[in-house]
Amino acid sequence: EVLLVDSGGSVVQPGGSLRLSCAASGFTFDDYTMHWVRQAPGKGLEWVSLISWDGGTTDYADSVKGRFTISRDNSKNALYLQMNSLRTEDTALYYCVKDIGGDSFLDYYGLDVWGQGTMVIVSS
Amino acid sequence: DNVMTQTPLSLSVTPGQPASISCKSTQSLLYRDGKIYLYWYLQKTGQSPKLLIYGVSNRFSGVPDRFIGSGSGTDFTLKISRVEAEDVGVYYCMQSIDLPITFGQGTRLEIK
Repeated sequence: EVLLVDSGGSVVQPGGSLRLSCAASGFTFDDYTMHWVRQAPGKGLEWVSLISWDGGTTDYADSVKGRFTISRDNSKNALYLQMNSLRTEDTALYYCVKDIGGDSFLDYYGLDVWGQGTMVIVSS
Repeated sequence: DNVMTQTPLSLSVTPGQPASISCKSTQSLLYRDGKIYLYWYLQKTGQSPKLLIYGVSNRFSGVPDRFIGSGSGTDFTLKISRVEAEDVGVYYCMQSIDLPITFGQGTRLEIK
């Protein structure tokens, strides 16, 4: 069974930093692109970032570009999101999500299995 | 960005009756590999989203066959042939043909 366990969420002041982690199991982690998606309280879903299987390709939503950094450690089956210069509008539940994969030699295809999420609250 | 627009934003359905949700994108979701990168998810209260449909019409593992996806180009539909009580929640469509990946606003389904 594919399992993604998100952690690292906390309350942080504006301008602060936080590092989220995601522990993956139940699949060959280094075969898949991974994503972060967030959901502000009572709101919809917003894609945040992706990283390819080998870390060679990364991309970010404009809202976080230059402040957030996605990374992975395939030896530990782990995904990370380093969040700097946090703003109140970054307050959200952050989900680690596995890419569904495919056979078209693309960096990403879509999202299939989601973690349970970890809450980040940016407040003074 | 490719904007995804869902209608309606909410619907109330009697158990056993059908339900339909529309999703329209501002750009075609047909990629040069011949596949359409349109997905549907259901988020039940207090849970993370679960994949229902990928590639417009393919049901994900374990998804009941009452969930039916259809469409092409920029217009897509998720139909539930006979709604059950466990189908309540918020349904989202999503495109991944290009970045940023974008979601519809969500459609809340409740049971009458």
